[in-house]
Amino acid sequence: DTEVTQTPKHLVMGMTNKKSLKCEQHMGHRAMYWYKQKAKKPPELMFVYSYEKLSINESVPSRFSPECPNSSLLNLHLHALQPEDSALYLCASSQGLQETNEKLFFGSGTQLSVL
Amino acid sequence: DAKTTQPNSMESNEEEPVHLPCNHSTISGTDYIHWYRQLPSQGPEYVIHGLTSNVNNRMASLAIAEDRKSSTLILHRATLRDAAVYYCILRDGNNDMRFGAGTRLTVKP
Repeated sequence: DTEVTQTPKHLVMGMTNKKSLKCEQHMGHRAMYWYKQKAKKPPELMFVYSYEKLSINESVPSRFSPECPNSSLLNLHLHALQPEDSALYLCASSQGLQETNEKLFFGSGTQLSVL
Repeated sequence: DAKTTQPNSMESNEEEPVHLPCNHSTISGTDYIHWYRQLPSQGPEYVIHGLTSNVNNRMASLAIAEDRKSSTLILHRATLRDAAVYYCILRDGNNDMRFGAGTRLTVKP
C-alpha cells in the first residue's frame, strides 16, 4: 500500500466554523507534511512532523493547528479561517527525515473553500 | 536556502523526447536533486532523484552536470499523460522540501 489518503476531498466552511482535515498512511513512514497550494501556484510547505513531533512550522497562522496522534495519522484543525485560506491542502509522507534522498508520497488533497 | 530556476512552460509533440532544464547554481555538496510532477487535479508524484551521477528509471532519466549547477529531466517519448507541472527541488540538510515555480509541460498530439 503506497497510498496517502486524505479526507474529505472537498470542504466548504464559513469563517466561524471549526473543521478538521485528515491524512492517513500505512507505509510505516515516520515523517508527515502539510502543504497549501493556491491555484496555478506551487505547493507551499506549512508543517513537518518527524516521529510524531512537530519539527518544522513555516510561521503558519495559529488558525491552522496540526496534530499527529500517531505515526499513521496527521490532522489539520481549522478555526476562524479567512476567505484567502481557500486552497488545496496536500498531505505527504516519507520514511523519515534522516536522509536527503528520501522521496515523498502525496495525497490527492482536500479542496477547501472558505465563505 | 538552495534555489532552483526552471522555464515557466515548455511544449512538446507526442512521442518525441522532452528535455526539461533546471538551474541550481547554489547547490551544496550534500544536496540531492529531486524531480516531482503534478498532473491536473492530483497531488505531486515522485519522478526521479540523483546526487552526482546520471540516473534512469521507468519514468525518466536525470542528467546532472559535472559541476552539479544544473540538471535535465529527460522524458524519452512524451505522451499526452505526461502533460503536467514538473518541479525540480533540492533537498538540503534541513530535510524540508520546498517547491519552486516549476515548468508547465504541454504535450501536443
